[in-house]
Amino acid sequence: DVKVTQSSRYLVKRTGEKVFLECVQDMDHENMFWYRQDPGLGLRLIYFSYDVKMKEKGDIPEGYSVSREKKERFSLILESASTNQTSMYLCASSFQPGQGGNQPQHFGDGTRLSIL
Amino acid sequence: ELKVEQNPLFLSMQEGKNYTIYCNYSTTSDRLYWYRQDPGKSLESLFVLLSNGAVKQEGRLMASLDTKARLSTLHITAAVHDLSATYFCAENYGGSQGNLIFGKGTKLSVKP
Repeated sequence: DVKVTQSSRYLVKRTGEKVFLECVQDMDHENMFWYRQDPGLGLRLIYFSYDVKMKEKGDIPEGYSVSREKKERFSLILESASTNQTSMYLCASSFQPGQGGNQPQHFGDGTRLSIL
Repeated sequence: ELKVEQNPLFLSMQEGKNYTIYCNYSTTSDRLYWYRQDPGKSLESLFVLLSNGAVKQEGRLMASLDTKARLSTLHITAAVHDLSATYFCAENYGGSQGNLIFGKGTKLSVKP
């Protein structure tokens, strides 16, 4: 089974702190994604990466950055946390279409982040 | 504009009844995904629909895809309480990267 592991289930930080959310996958997937999920808004893509050291902005990248130094690990960074970044953050990974068929994205358990 | 619209967004059903969730999407994609999310949990893949006319079934859930109408449906047969969850459809729009755009989700509550 695919395993996508997020480092924390719950995290509480203070405004202005630099926050790191870590995600590791064990299936050698090329693609990795970071989403945030908010009530009434569904899932929104923050950043994605389709290869080591590659990154692309999603729909809501402002206030975030990412790092992918190794294929299995994709980190989301909140440069200076603000209260409007309180949310559930979900990491996902997948093969590229055509590489592993059209398999779905596999999600981690999520990190519920509160910024005080 | 890329968008995926689900309806209804909230659905309260009685056990034993049938119902359908609709998912309209905006592009000419031929790849559509359904996910389930339980409260406080992550998303679990249910179905992958890859071509026009595709139909997949798992237990009391059946999903179908009509690419000409840009419509996917998730049909629930004889609902049971264990199906209570939020269901998301997602369309592939990202070409070689496989990016998905998600609907807002349908929160299903099945009551005895």
